[in-house]
Amino acid sequence: DAGVTQSPTHLIKTRGQQVTLRCSPKSGHDTVSWYQQALGQGPQFIFQYYEEEERQRGNFPDRFSGHQFPNYSSELNVNALLLGDSALYLCASTDGISYEQYFGPGTRLTVT
Amino acid sequence: KNQVEQSPQSLIILEGKNCTLQCNYTVSPFSNLRWYKQDTGRGPVSLTIMTFSENTKSNGRYTATLDADTKQSSLHITASQLSDSASYICVVNKAGYSTLTFGKGTMLLVSP
Repeated sequence: DAGVTQSPTHLIKTRGQQVTLRCSPKSGHDTVSWYQQALGQGPQFIFQYYEEEERQRGNFPDRFSGHQFPNYSSELNVNALLLGDSALYLCASTDGISYEQYFGPGTRLTVT
Repeated sequence: KNQVEQSPQSLIILEGKNCTLQCNYTVSPFSNLRWYKQDTGRGPVSLTIMTFSENTKSNGRYTATLDADTKQSSLHITASQLSDSASYICVVNKAGYSTLTFGKGTMLLVSP
């Protein structure tokens, strides 16, 4: 079992560009959550996907959007990038039954 | 507002010594509280999960306590090792929601 995987590992973008981050959940998990973690801060919840629908959303603007595919993998899209979007983006998956969420290694996004 | 506050913000201890990290929360209604260990630039890894009815849980040299009445938790690390150097994050799950509220973490440095 590969656990939660994310790609790419690192990414550098310019202000105003768009970015897509990808996540594959742990085997058997059908729920994927995305978090943004700024340097020195705890992760902040962006949104959660279940059965290809956005189930819950945190306090993030519409520039942040997502998608879940039939195989439960997920994408996070960010449009019109701002310098403040620079952060570690974490994906976590759960089976929706247990309390446990498993985190991926994250994607480090740098906006210049 | 649902919050999770951790103290101290950072801590330096000598290898082999014990330490205790604190967490206070206002998240309500409460479902469960977790402690995660996060190495720099990596995803968080779960150490313990405690529900309302549990007041202590151990995972090797890590022992977490929970007082749901005072809404306080602690994480005690025994006989610290250099590999314990990391950020320790307290996370609370609100009842009825699968999303998590994170503290900012305590940065622990174990010095030889």
